[in-house]
Amino acid sequence: GENVEQHPSTLSVQEGDSAVIKCTYSDSASNYFPWYKQELGKRPQLIIDIRSNVGEKKDQRIAVTLNKTAKHFSLHITETQPEDSAVYFCAAVRWGKLIFGQGTELSVKP
Amino acid sequence: EAGVTQFPSHSVIEKGQTVTLRCDPISGHDNLYWYRRVMGKEIKFLLHFVKESKQDESGMPNNRFLAERTGGTYSTLKVQPAELEDSGVYFCASSQVSASGGEQYFGPGTRLTVT
Repeated sequence: GENVEQHPSTLSVQEGDSAVIKCTYSDSASNYFPWYKQELGKRPQLIIDIRSNVGEKKDQRIAVTLNKTAKHFSLHITETQPEDSAVYFCAAVRWGKLIFGQGTELSVKP
Repeated sequence: EAGVTQFPSHSVIEKGQTVTLRCDPISGHDNLYWYRRVMGKEIKFLLHFVKESKQDESGMPNNRFLAERTGGTYSTLKVQPAELEDSGVYFCASSQVSASGGEQYFGPGTRLTVT
């Protein structure tokens, strides 16, 4: 079955810096890769996603890149703000179910 | 439009007792998923309903867990008898699209503590 590895587990940056979170997946048939943000005590919410036929997608300060050959994808947050502090989960999807990475706790220090 | 709702938000039970969690998906979403996050680890898939049918229950840990979705609307997840390792946050999610991948909308979760 699919396995998703996510690094780092914790990430601390200064406000205004960039943050990068990386994930690898094992099942080459996975075709959809969403990223979820979970703030403390709240539900996971989709922040950006990418399909397997696209290499990069950007939405304001957030971007995701996908390398199908190497089976890895990354989340890039630029100009980080304190409200970006949360746990971020990557996931790979095949046949509907989300297989999540272990999560990255991002802390943005003012 | 109302989002995914879950009840209860918290449940504390003793080992050996029974607990039933409920999920109400977004109206019109045929796909309903249950996930679990244990001890701050990754969120793990439990099972997937398409309407009232179980599409994939490969993530269910054992036969102490029983999920139902009678009528294809809300779903329940029963744990009987509960064990200490069942503690965690149980999330429900729903979506319109399944196989090709589409946004899954998560509920707020039920925090289950087994003592």
